[in-house]
Amino acid sequence: QSALTQPPSASGTPGQRVTISCSGGSSNIGSNTVNWYQQLPGTAPKLLIYSDNERPSGVPDRFSGSKSGTSASLAISGLQSEDEADYYCATWDDSLNGWVFGGGTKLTVL
Amino acid sequence: QVQLQESGPGLMTPSETLSLTCTVSGGSIYSDSWTWIRQPPGKGLEWIGHIRNSGGTHYNRSLETRLTISIDTSKSQFSLKVTSMTPADTAVYFCARLYCGRGGCLVDYWGQGTLVTVSS
Repeated sequence: QSALTQPPSASGTPGQRVTISCSGGSSNIGSNTVNWYQQLPGTAPKLLIYSDNERPSGVPDRFSGSKSGTSASLAISGLQSEDEADYYCATWDDSLNGWVFGGGTKLTVL
Repeated sequence: QVQLQESGPGLMTPSETLSLTCTVSGGSIYSDSWTWIRQPPGKGLEWIGHIRNSGGTHYNRSLETRLTISIDTSKSQFSLKVTSMTPADTAVYFCARLYCGRGGCLVDYWGQGTLVTVSS
């Protein structure tokens, strides 16, 4: 069981806005910054959002991150077919003294 | 652009020790920390551990009695050893860079991953 909880699936139609949640606790999200990763089938994860809401160079501004208390969210606006992937949140956990990942959310573009 | 490449056995038998090596190119192995992450088939990501450029290590508590992560700066490589492998350790193993800045730490550059299958 992951220390961070994500919904196993999410879906939307092209052009829609979709949000994916990541729920944790005071020892992880509540104390440390959150990163988000996108994983296309058969490939390594790609950094999508870091430090709660920052985008690396090259990541479209359709992707945005936010955090409040012990929960974080990833929002994807203007949904495109190529956004169909698995999405993971990640952060450091002070109690476990290690990195923790959410269980992942499979995004389907209908 | 930092690039990482894992190398190691694809198939193992139970009780063997896994040895994986990650070769770093396009960047300095001295400047950051380096991590191993695995993903069982069809499942999520699990952090294994990391090694700082100083040589200090940090391991997942659930695995740490079986783990050794080391670094060879002369070869621009870092390595993972996992003892007493079982079928439950079957996974794609990724090596990656762990970068820490003012805004926190993040895993930014990843290797392509290598599938390790443990089967009798």
